[in-house]
Amino acid sequence: RKEVEQDPGPFNVPEGATVAFNCTYSNSASQSFFWYRQDCRKEPKLLMSVYSSGNEDGRFTAQLNRASQYISLLIRDSKLSDSATYLCVVGHPNAGKSTFGDGTTLTVKP
Amino acid sequence: NAGVTQTPKFQVLKTGQSMTLQCAQDMNHNSMYWYRQDPGMGLRLIYYSASEGTTDKGEVPNGYNVSRLNKREFSLRLESAAPSQTSVYFCASSGRPPVGEQFFGPGTRLTVL
Repeated sequence: RKEVEQDPGPFNVPEGATVAFNCTYSNSASQSFFWYRQDCRKEPKLLMSVYSSGNEDGRFTAQLNRASQYISLLIRDSKLSDSATYLCVVGHPNAGKSTFGDGTTLTVKP
Repeated sequence: NAGVTQTPKFQVLKTGQSMTLQCAQDMNHNSMYWYRQDPGMGLRLIYYSASEGTTDKGEVPNGYNVSRLNKREFSLRLESAAPSQTSVYFCASSGRPPVGEQFFGPGTRLTVL
């Protein structure tokens, strides 16, 4: 079993749709959580950090459930420009490193 | 402020050749990382350096060596390239405890024939 697992995707949605991505992690000692966005053949960039209280940034909402070891990302009112691969990332302070999920690809169509 | 820079951007090697990928950051970050990303796959950690003077193996270290030359620079060396090392290589740095936000370089696209 992979340490960080994401929905396999791909997700193909029309503009304006709401789409949710899920991610589970196996290491209960993990302490930091992020969603990154990666455009085709480009470097990953931080989309948002994920906190236990949940956080929202415009059309994007991230949630963390430590008990279930589960992270989610909700995108509302999808735009064509949201088309990308979304990576779930889990940080392990004791190990001094992070683990990336394989990513979920989103295509938003007109 | 360039962030994280990588050289070269593209490289083609023959099996058995060696090369060094260079990475530098100007954000005064303590931690630096090397990842590889194969087509359609996620990032896999090769080596990382939590601070100047230390390096540790990641998930896929075989066939690679690293050097944390100073706080700014972290190089990755392929001593004898193999076709299985064809990939995109990303360097990243992080300023907070090594599980904070990571900033990535633009990547090096390596093909081994």
